[in-house]
Formats: sequence, structure tokens, C-alpha cells
Amino acid sequence: AQSVTQLDSQVPVFEEAPVELRCNYSSSVSVYLFWYVQYPNQGLQLLLKYLSGSTLVESINGFEAEFNKSQTSFHLRKPSVHISDTAEYFCAVSGSGAAGNKLTFGGGTRVLVKP
Amino acid sequence: ETGVTQSPTHLIKTRGQQVTLRCSSQSGHNTVSWYQQALGQGPQFIFQYYREEENGRGNFPPRFSGLQFPNYSSELNVNALELDDSALYLCASSFETDTQYFGPGTRLTVL
Repeated sequence: AQSVTQLDSQVPVFEEAPVELRCNYSSSVSVYLFWYVQYPNQGLQLLLKYLSGSTLVESINGFEAEFNKSQTSFHLRKPSVHISDTAEYFCAVSGSGAAGNKLTFGGGTRVLVKP
Repeated sequence: ETGVTQSPTHLIKTRGQQVTLRCSSQSGHNTVSWYQQALGQGPQFIFQYYREEENGRGNFPPRFSGLQFPNYSSELNVNALELDDSALYLCASSFETDTQYFGPGTRLTVL
């Protein structure tokens, strides 16, 4: 069984300040890790993913996440946020390869960027 | 390339009724997964369809059922609706076990 814990349910942050969203997971098998973003009244959009290779992964809009196997974490960071980053962010885990791609999600972190 | 689409966008039903939600997968994808997202929570896996057969199921009762068609589109059916079934229902498609891409969701309200 797998589980995901997002340690902060809400994170208020000022525009142009850095933000970190924490995600810890537990699994008995090798995993793939994902961050999805959900804007109000919309579905989920893939932000970035870790499948293998470099433990630091980046998105096209300035977010990055680092896979830390020893700490079973996959924290998401952005050095300078914009108003448009206001959204809910979900960390998710799936089994790797033939184990299937069913996603287990955390409870989400709501980011509110203030001017 | 067409993304994942879902219909309808919103739906209101009364307790005890039945509902069918529809999903068209992204071009080139052959696997469809369904998730339920209750208000203020993360999505929860309902089931997955691959090659028209159920390929894994979450902790949902049998009154949640589904279909996948030869063109890889899918339906989610819920019988005997309960108030707690009110949620955003998300469909995601993928090629085999690759990364899943989500549709915009169907918001179901049960009165």
C-alpha cells in the first residue's frame, strides 16, 4: 500500500517570495512521484514528475522538486511566486513500471499568493 | 492533439437516482482511470480500464461501475446515488502505464 502526506494544508505567501510545499510518501515498492496543480473549478494539470535519473526535476514555469529516497520526500519549491501561482497543489505517487500507474494523492496544499 | 474531455460539466441528481459520466481519452492513449475528488480532499482512485476490461479498483462499492469502448472512451456509472457521492469526478488517460493526463472533471451534486 502507498500513502502520501502533504504537511501543509494552506500556504499564504507574498508575490515574488519563495515557497516550499512539503510532501512525504510511504511505499513498499519503487515509486514514481508527481506534482499536479488544480486551478479553481478545473481539473488537474501535471506540473512535474520524477521517474528515474536526476533527483532534481524542473517544470517549464519555474517550479522544481527534489526526490529524496532516504527521507521519502518530494518537496516542491519555487524561488519567486506570481499571483497566477494561486492554486491547489497535489503530490501523488504511483508504482513504477509494470506495477501500474494508479495514483495515490495527498490531501493537497492550497497556495494563496498575496500582492 | 486533443486532450481528455469529459461530459457533462455539471450534473444535479437526487438520492437514489442513477448517473452516467463520460470521458474521451487523449489521442494515442489506451487506458482510462477514474477518480473521485470530494470537496477539500485529494482525488481517490475508483478504477482503471485497459483494453475494455477493468484493470484495478479502489475502495469503492459495486454500485460504481464502468465501461471502456473500442475507441478507448469510457463511462462511469453510479447507481443508487447517496449524498456522499457529491464530488468532482475526474477522468485521466494514459498510454499503457505511462503518465496520466486529466480531464476538466464532472461536478456531481446529489440532493
